[in-house]
Amino acid sequence: GQNIDQPTEMTATEGAIVQINCTYQTSGFNGLFWYQQHAGEAPTFLSYNVLDGLEEKGRFSSFLSRSKGYSYLLLKELQMKDSASYLCAGDSGAGSYQLTFGKGTKLSVIP
Amino acid sequence: DAEITQSPRHKITETGRQVTLACHQTWNHNNMFWYRQDLGHGLRLIHYSYGVQDTNKGEVSDGYSVSRSNTEDLPLTLESAASSQTSVYFCASSESGIGPNTGELFFGEGSRLTVL
Repeated sequence: GQNIDQPTEMTATEGAIVQINCTYQTSGFNGLFWYQQHAGEAPTFLSYNVLDGLEEKGRFSSFLSRSKGYSYLLLKELQMKDSASYLCAGDSGAGSYQLTFGKGTKLSVIP
Repeated sequence: DAEITQSPRHKITETGRQVTLACHQTWNHNNMFWYRQDLGHGLRLIHYSYGVQDTNKGEVSDGYSVSRSNTEDLPLTLESAASSQTSVYFCASSESGIGPNTGELFFGEGSRLTVL
């Protein structure tokens, strides 16, 4: 299968900005999803990038470089409720709707 | 409102027993998926279906089976439960076709299974 790598854990301060990186094999995926998962809950959709560049959605932005096999999720003005795991997932495109997930990055926001 | 529901939410069973986890969605999505989530492994695909009577094996399908007799339901069966199948199981669904929301997974709340 296609590997997706992301850091296991990160810690950031309330009000700050944090960037969560995700790397993958360039031949693997068509587009990249980001999901948020609070402890004990289901993942919920944050963003999807299929074109290179930055997509901004409120406090959250997501970036994709297909040639470099690299994506990041940028969270601004961090709030305590942003403490969660952030999952990067790639889709193969071409009519395949399966997603391959990274292991997730657990973000802890501290006061 | 459309939703996707799983049952039971929690189950404890014994090694060797057959277990079925139910998944029901009212999104009218063609695509349905079962994932398991374990510490250190993230979400791993067990089985998936792109429509009625269609089923496919995912990355970790051994010991599991699914059936798709209608659009709304994709039950997951563990034929003979093993301790290695202790996990949290998530069902998900998504749209087919072309569009901005295609491929986005909508997840159920999860079923926590313990095999003793």
